[in-house]
Amino acid sequence: KNQVEQSPQSLIILEGKNCTLQCNYTVSPFSNLRWYKQDTGRGPVSLTIMTFSENTKSNGRYTATLDADTKQSSLHITASQLSDSASYICVCSGGYNKLIFGAGTRLAVHP
Amino acid sequence: DTAVSQTPKYLVTQMGNDKSIKCEQNLGHDTMYWYKQDSKKFLKIMFSYNNKELIINETVPNRFSPKSPDKAHLNLHINSLELGDSAVYFCASSQESPGAGWSPLHFGNGTRLTVT
Repeated sequence: KNQVEQSPQSLIILEGKNCTLQCNYTVSPFSNLRWYKQDTGRGPVSLTIMTFSENTKSNGRYTATLDADTKQSSLHITASQLSDSASYICVCSGGYNKLIFGAGTRLAVHP
Repeated sequence: DTAVSQTPKYLVTQMGNDKSIKCEQNLGHDTMYWYKQDSKKFLKIMFSYNNKELIINETVPNRFSPKSPDKAHLNLHINSLELGDSAVYFCASSQESPGAGWSPLHFGNGTRLTVT
């Protein structure tokens, strides 16, 4: 069964600290994986896409990794800011015209 | 310039009523979607249209009927609203065919539907 599981469900960190969010997937065939950020009261916005051949990709303070062998991806946030408080959603594309969504990780950054 | 806009932002109504949510995108995308986000924040696909043609129709009660008058608009009409319909509904668009994932989804800011 195609599934995307994210951990932790929620996370609280202090401003300036780093954190890592996890995404494990069992999607076959696998095409790509995308991370979205969803601010409260807004729609999700794409942060980055990871393909089968990519291991690491950075977008500012966000660094995504992908291990296609273990079917795991992570999103690392460096030097967190209050504006990083949001839900982070992992989405896999696995063919058959389907996107498979994770349930998201809710991150709260406290001053 | 709002890329994907949906109205209204909030919708409070009583059980049994019929309501519509409108969505428009100015990105020139061929594909539009409706997603439902439940209280646990899980996003679930409802419908997908490509160039006004229905492509994806997930297991959704037939009280929900999407309508695409042109490729820039995808409206959602809901008949006989039930308590369980309460959720946030997101419209989205993308440049490519549904599910490919190579182009990002562009979401509207959601419509929070509360059925009392």
